[in-house]
Amino acid sequence: RKEVEQDPGPFNVPEGATVAFNCTYSNSASQSFFWYRQDCRKEPKLLMSVYSSGNEDGRFTAQLNRASQYISLLIRDSKLSDSATYLCVVKTNTGNQFYFGTGTSLTVIP
Amino acid sequence: NAGVTQTPKFQVLKTGQSMTLQCAQDMNHNSMYWYRQDPGMGLRLIYYSASEGTTDKGEVPNGYNVSRLNKREFSLRLESAAPSQTSVYFCASSDWDSGTFGSGTRLTVV
Repeated sequence: RKEVEQDPGPFNVPEGATVAFNCTYSNSASQSFFWYRQDCRKEPKLLMSVYSSGNEDGRFTAQLNRASQYISLLIRDSKLSDSATYLCVVKTNTGNQFYFGTGTSLTVIP
Repeated sequence: NAGVTQTPKFQVLKTGQSMTLQCAQDMNHNSMYWYRQDPGMGLRLIYYSASEGTTDKGEVPNGYNVSRLNKREFSLRLESAAPSQTSVYFCASSDWDSGTFGSGTRLTVV
């Protein structure tokens, strides 16, 4: 079983739409959670950390459900510039390792 | 504001050749990582170094060696390249929280 599982998509949405990505993780001892964004042929870049209380950064909202081992990302009012692959990332304290989902592809259509 | 610097950006090797991928970070991070990214597979950990002086195998270490030269530098060596090692390689570093990636090395083994 993979450490982190994501729906690969692709998600094709019109500008202005709201889109949600989900992710599950298998290691209940995981301590830190993130969403990264990766543009085509570029390196992953941190979009936001995910906290148990949920957190929001502008149009982006991340939620964590430890009991269900589930992480989500909500993007409101989608922009063309949001088109990218979104990676769900889980970090364990053992060895300080990161585990990546395979990514969810988003294309925002004019 | 260099962050994580990887060299080279592109490389073509013949089967059996060796090469070293270089990585350096200027953020004083303790942990450093090498990942490979293949289509449909996501990012997979090759080796990591939780702190200066230590290295550990990740998910896909076969065919690779690493050296944590000092706190700043973490190199990845392919002793005898194989076509299966054609991939995009990312170096990353982290403190106690999120990680920062280098811009990647696109390696083709023919």
